Amino acid sequence: DTGVSQDPRHKITKRGQNVTFRCDPISEHNRLYWYRQTLGQGPEFLTYFQNEAQLEKSRLLSDRFSAERPKGSFSTLEIQRTEQGDSAMYLCASSPTSATEAFFGQGTRLTVV
Amino acid sequence: AQRVTQPEKLLSVFKGAPVELKCNYSYSGSPELFWYVQYSRQRLQLLLRHISRESIKGFTADLNKGETSFHLKKPFAQEEDSAMYYCALSGSIWAGSYQLTFGKGTKLSVIP
Repeated sequence: DTGVSQDPRHKITKRGQNVTFRCDPISEHNRLYWYRQTLGQGPEFLTYFQNEAQLEKSRLLSDRFSAERPKGSFSTLEIQRTEQGDSAMYLCASSPTSATEAFFGQGTRLTVV
Repeated sequence: AQRVTQPEKLLSVFKGAPVELKCNYSYSGSPELFWYVQYSRQRLQLLLRHISRESIKGFTADLNKGETSFHLKKPFAQEEDSAMYYCALSGSIWAGSYQLTFGKGTKLSVIP
């Protein structure tokens, strides 16, 4: 599968623990996005990278959230001191510079207990 | 602020009947509009975008700037069309805005 890859697919963690998710975009896609989707809602934008630069962050991205894309390839999203409200599907997407449509990964489903 | 509204959470139609999934948007500028689809246990994928003006799997969508709508239509529904459909908006690339704003989605169920 040469699409966007996310790992892990599922994560169950206790409240207060830290979690980290990984996203591998489609090769040569310069743009990488993180979205969050809760039950009954559409995906909500969290943050966006152009190569290794983080260019946009949503107000949804609290101080407990941090995202990196150190070499302009894969990206990680870390959530510190998880809360039950962080339970959601975390989606990664990528796109080439020349396009606005995004290609999505399968997502990582986080459950905070 | 940009907003996408999909008024129907669930739409059930019989096989062979016409389908219309509604989408209205709010954006102060010239947006790009998309329809994404998510089939059961599959990832979210692009169905069509307004600037392409093409038909994909028999679906079409016309951007109506006067009514700020981008409804998705298909003349004859098929069982394989059953899925979750999301309308999404992106600001113009000329504005340097690349994030997508999604509606809450409409679940289409095609009854055999």
